[in-house]
Amino acid sequence: DSGVTQTPKHLITATGQRVTLRCSPRSGDLSVYWYQQSLDQGLQFLIQYYNGEERAKGNILERFSAQQFPDLHSELNLSSLELGDSALYFCASSVGDRGVGTGELFFGEGSRLTVL
Amino acid sequence: AQSVTQPDIHITVSEGASLELRCNYSYGATPYLFWYVQSPGQGLQLLLKYFSGDTLVQGIKGFEAEFKRSQSSFNLRKPSVHWSDAAEYFCAVGLYGNKLVFGAGTILRVKS
Repeated sequence: DSGVTQTPKHLITATGQRVTLRCSPRSGDLSVYWYQQSLDQGLQFLIQYYNGEERAKGNILERFSAQQFPDLHSELNLSSLELGDSALYFCASSVGDRGVGTGELFFGEGSRLTVL
Repeated sequence: AQSVTQPDIHITVSEGASLELRCNYSYGATPYLFWYVQSPGQGLQLLLKYFSGDTLVQGIKGFEAEFKRSQSSFNLRKPSVHWSDAAEYFCAVGLYGNKLVFGAGTILRVKS
């Protein structure tokens, strides 16, 4: 158990809909990261938040947004869903945000999104 | 651009045999390198990491990896594979801000 909690574990929805994925980081971790794992793209970094502020952006679509709340949990919002958005969405957390000196990210078990 | 290549999509080894999973990276500076393992239905777990110093690093579950700068490689090894090692293995390069760039992964199958 990594200490990172993601909900829901599975989600099935239709094209055009909007969903919210939730992540609670490990106790004491200030950074939250979102990754998308799909068959064709592999593991792709989406976005990072540190202590409530956006820190880094990766291959995140404009239809997607995220935020980190004062209690440090994070939500990833996916809107106008398309079939290609079907994937496993991982949240990870770490203590710091600058440099990879610690480097270790702790991953949750993921939220599997299926868009029909 | 930074990239990580895992040339083997699938590898099958017999239980008790040795294992080597290959990883090559493309990165301008001294890399931070990681191996993660993903068991079915699970998140990713860190096996080991290299930041600097000794080029042979030891990890959990009996795994080790060797950093070879001249070959831009960071291959993962285990002397004797157990059935429970069957999983998908990801090599990653760490960038500023803890961002990880992952390889495509290698699926390990273990024959009994």
